[in-house]
Amino acid sequence: QSVLTQPPSASGTPGQRVTISCSGSSSNIRGNPVNWYQQLPGTAPKLLIYSNNQRPSGVPDRFSGSKSGTSASLAISGLQSEDEADYYCAAWDDSLNGWVFGGGTKLTVL
Amino acid sequence: EVQLVQSGAEVKKPGESLKISCKGSGYSFSNYWIAWVRQMPGKGLEWMGIIYPDDFDTRYSPSFQGQVTISADKSISTAYLQWNSLKASDTAMYYCARQKGLSSDWGSNWFDPWGQGTLVTVSS
Repeated sequence: QSVLTQPPSASGTPGQRVTISCSGSSSNIRGNPVNWYQQLPGTAPKLLIYSNNQRPSGVPDRFSGSKSGTSASLAISGLQSEDEADYYCAAWDDSLNGWVFGGGTKLTVL
Repeated sequence: EVQLVQSGAEVKKPGESLKISCKGSGYSFSNYWIAWVRQMPGKGLEWMGIIYPDDFDTRYSPSFQGQVTISADKSISTAYLQWNSLKASDTAMYYCARQKGLSSDWGSNWFDPWGQGTLVTVSS
């Protein structure tokens, strides 16, 4: 059971906008920034969003992040087939004194 | 280019020992924390622990404390993850990742880049 809760799956058609939620608690998401990682099939995770809503260089602006209270969201607009991947949220947990991840959301582009 | 390159896949028997590696390049290896993350087959990411190569300060997730040892050799820009006695349940992909951030506050960090992963298979 992961400390951060994500839906196991999400889907959308090309061009659509999809959102993936990440629910935590006061010891992690409420007090700390949230990061998002994208894991394409058969590859290592890659940083997608850091500090709630910042995109690293090279990440398209179709990807955006937000946070409110003990929850965070990743939004993908203009969905493309190459966005099909697993997406993980992560945050530092002040009670556990360690990093915690969500269970991951498998995004399918129909 | 900042890069982490991990050692190759391993096939081991239960009870055997193993040490896998993660070599950094393109940045000052000593001055960034290196984390290890486990991904069991078909499952999600789990943070195992982290080391600061400059002074070898190491922190472990309670789930992995006593089960593995994290170490580093800053002279060759390499971090390690070690098991003394492998179990079948250690079968997984293991990733290293550099922790980077805006401040010394733990929460204001993220993992970038990640190594390509080392697949460890433990089977009799």
